[in-house]
Amino acid sequence: DAMVIQNPRYQVTQFGKPVTLSCSQTLNHNVMYWYQQKSSQAPKLLFHYYDKDFNNEADTPDNFQSRRPNTSFCFLDIRSPGLGDAAMYLCATSQRSYNEQFFGPGTRLTVL
Amino acid sequence: EDQVTQSPEALRLQEGESSSLNCSYTVSGLRGLFWYRQDPGKGPEFLFTLYSAGEEKEKERLKATLTKKESFLHITAPKPEDSATYLCAVQAGNQGGKLIFGQGTELSVKP
Repeated sequence: DAMVIQNPRYQVTQFGKPVTLSCSQTLNHNVMYWYQQKSSQAPKLLFHYYDKDFNNEADTPDNFQSRRPNTSFCFLDIRSPGLGDAAMYLCATSQRSYNEQFFGPGTRLTVL
Repeated sequence: EDQVTQSPEALRLQEGESSSLNCSYTVSGLRGLFWYRQDPGKGPEFLFTLYSAGEEKEKERLKATLTKKESFLHITAPKPEDSATYLCAVQAGNQGGKLIFGQGTELSVKP
């Protein structure tokens, strides 16, 4: 089945220790998104790629970066995680910008 | 500012007791309104897309409707497995497909 896969499902890191979250898709979609969802809150867009074109939300902290080496994979790098970065990180894909988005299962990040 | 408000925040129903969830929105140039279901600890699962006022979509016990200011998700004769958080989101023009989500309605259906 075509799907969006996120690894790991659970990530524990220490304050200030860099961490990388991974997303892959078998849908062959052009657009990949990263959302942050804190406990009992709505998902909030961090950035997205349309093919190789990177689009950063204005209020995304500089601490967050992303890479998309090919169509199938996208990575979220958190350079120096703080306690406030503990959240569920959701990857989503869509065929085009204004189509429905399909989400992966998420990575739950804990910062100690 | 583009905004989505969902009500109620939480809804408790008995099995078979039909009800509706509300999603009110203010957005510049609506490109689409989306409903998702989210189970605890999981990613949102796509349910419906609505594009224009008057449009309706149905799937099993769920029916979504859209007006110029709000959308409703009607749940007919719900079952315990319908228990989840239901998220509404909008896409506005010239924002590259960004989804702006409401806070969600947490639905609990008791047998």
